[in-house]
Amino acid sequence: DADVTQTPRNRITKTGKRIMLECSQTKGHDRMYWYRQDPGLGLRLIYYSFDVKDINKGEISDGYSVSRQAQAKFSLSLESAIPNQTALYFCATGTSGPLVYGQFFGPGTRLTVL
Amino acid sequence: TQLLEQSPQFLSIQEGENLTVYCNSSSVFSSLQWYRQEPGEGPVLLVTVVTGGEVKKLKRLTFQFGDARKDSSLHITAAQPGDTGLYLCAGAGSGNTPLVFGKGTRLSVIA
Repeated sequence: DADVTQTPRNRITKTGKRIMLECSQTKGHDRMYWYRQDPGLGLRLIYYSFDVKDINKGEISDGYSVSRQAQAKFSLSLESAIPNQTALYFCATGTSGPLVYGQFFGPGTRLTVL
Repeated sequence: TQLLEQSPQFLSIQEGENLTVYCNSSSVFSSLQWYRQEPGEGPVLLVTVVTGGEVKKLKRLTFQFGDARKDSSLHITAAQPGDTGLYLCAGAGSGNTPLVFGKGTRLSVIA
């Protein structure tokens, strides 16, 4: 079984709809992240959480919200989807500590907003 | 703001050739990671380098962290079609700041 899972894997929706993307992990990591990836723009951080009670905005948080329901679950919501939120979305996990050894990514959710 | 510049942006080579891709910054990082991403999948962590001047080898891939911990390189020997993908570098700053990702080098190895 995959260590980091994302649901759904693909989603097509219409402008103005509320969308939730879910992420679960079995790696036991305390840190979780949401990124979006667009051609030519690379990975951009939306939100991140260092533990259940800690939520931080990333580079591009406008139009998004998150919920850390448990150490293993981190969901991303688009309250009112718009076409420029069409992108590939990734959840990732990581460990805490004095050195950062890398992140582990889910398989991604391809979101299309019409 | 810490930035990581990757070069080249695109690289297309024949099977068997050697190549080097670069990851550069004006900022110092406490550690640096390299990832490979294949179409339709998430990035996969290849290696983390921590010490300035450190060299790590992973089969035909050689990773080097600059002495000043501001830059890194990835060298692939005798590239194979299976090496095709997007190579991303990411740097960790001090404290609890999130990783900084470069925009990647898209490698295509033609059989």
